[in-house]
Amino acid sequence: QKEVEQNSGPLSVPEGAIASLNCTYSDRGSQSFFWYRQYSGKSPELIMFIYSNGDKEDGRFTAQLNKASQYVSLLIRDSQPSDSATYLCAASGAGSYQLTFGKGTKLSVIP
Amino acid sequence: DTAVSQTPKYLVTQMGNDKSIKCEQNLGHDTMYWYKQDSKKFLKIMFSYNNKELIINETVPNRFSPKSPDKAHLNLHINSLELGDSAVYFCASSRRDGYYEQYFGPGTRLTVT
Repeated sequence: QKEVEQNSGPLSVPEGAIASLNCTYSDRGSQSFFWYRQYSGKSPELIMFIYSNGDKEDGRFTAQLNKASQYVSLLIRDSQPSDSATYLCAASGAGSYQLTFGKGTKLSVIP
Repeated sequence: DTAVSQTPKYLVTQMGNDKSIKCEQNLGHDTMYWYKQDSKKFLKIMFSYNNKELIINETVPNRFSPKSPDKAHLNLHINSLELGDSAVYFCASSRRDGYYEQYFGPGTRLTVT
């Protein structure tokens, strides 16, 4: 069974610090990986996706993928209180529409 | 310019009733999904339709029946509602090529009393 694991948190970081969110996946055939942000009472919002080993940067966000270790991470630089949310990691297989989600990590950025 | 919309936003009903949730997307996507997010916030796929054809049907009670009249709409009908059906139901859509990144609707909070 395909699984995506995340530390549920909460992860607390001071404002301005780097928040590091981690995710591991069980299906070695997984090809694409997604990070969603979900504010309380709202729907998941796509932040980034990554499909190649290495880093992918978008503004304050950097996604990192290591397929050999089956590990994905999201770094948030200069964390802001508005970044406080639950971050969901998801993985999809080759040519597959289906996303398997982790249970999310709750991030709190302390002013 | 709502990309993925759902109605209703809130639904409160009694056990045993039948209810429907509607979803529409204006992104031109071919694939649409229904997810259930329980009280512990775990997001689980229920169904997926590609251009009106069912392609994913996870282990979901057959009281749940999706219907896709066209590729821009995916509705969810639930018969004989049970307390355990209380959750937030999200609709999502994606292209059927590329990396299949999915975009979510605002959700429907279903409460069964």
